[in-house]
Amino acid sequence: AQSVSQHNHHVILSEAASLELGCNYSYGGTVNLFWYVQYPGQHLQLLLKYFSGDPLVKGIKGFEAEFIKSKFSFNLRKPSVQWSDTAEYFCAALNQGGKLIFGQGTELSVKP
Amino acid sequence: NAGVTQTPKFQVLKTGQSMTLQCAQDMNHEYMSWYRQDPGMGLRLIHYSVGAGITDQGEVPNGYNVSRSTTEDFPLRLLSAAPSQTSVYFCASSYTMTAVGGYEQYFGPGTRLTVT
Repeated sequence: AQSVSQHNHHVILSEAASLELGCNYSYGGTVNLFWYVQYPGQHLQLLLKYFSGDPLVKGIKGFEAEFIKSKFSFNLRKPSVQWSDTAEYFCAALNQGGKLIFGQGTELSVKP
Repeated sequence: NAGVTQTPKFQVLKTGQSMTLQCAQDMNHEYMSWYRQDPGMGLRLIHYSVGAGITDQGEVPNGYNVSRSTTEDFPLRLLSAAPSQTSVYFCASSYTMTAVGGYEQYFGPGTRLTVT
């Protein structure tokens, strides 16, 4: 069965630190990948997505992610986090059948 | 556009009661889905629909029914509520969702359901 794993459940960083959140998926066929963010008290918003082409994708608010097919990974990165990046981050994978499966989420806390 | 709307925002049920969570979108999206969000478990797909008249099961469909009689509406029915169904429920829609290229999913504000 298709699954998405996020290894970091809670990450605590200071402002200006660099961020990398891990995401691995199990599906071996054609897959599209997403990162969503959920700010406190709000619903999910799309950060970035990968369908094909350049494996390094750039999203909103300075986030980027790299698709590494050989590692089944799609890690999210940001060079310098801000307090306003405090949120929960979800990786998701879409398979050919149209199922969008989410990972467990990573809670990011940024200390000012 | 109102986007994706969900009603109610909050609901408390007793074990065994049934209810319907409403979801509507006004963007003429083909794809709609229901998720439940639980701490430490992320969002789990309950049911989804790729168009009017077509529905399919997600990861955790047991105890829930859906139908898609129109493009706009995708209600989620709890047949006999159980405490394990206490959760936050999100409805989402997208223009389409195929392997050719998934589009952004737009999420509703959520329904917080408590079953006692």
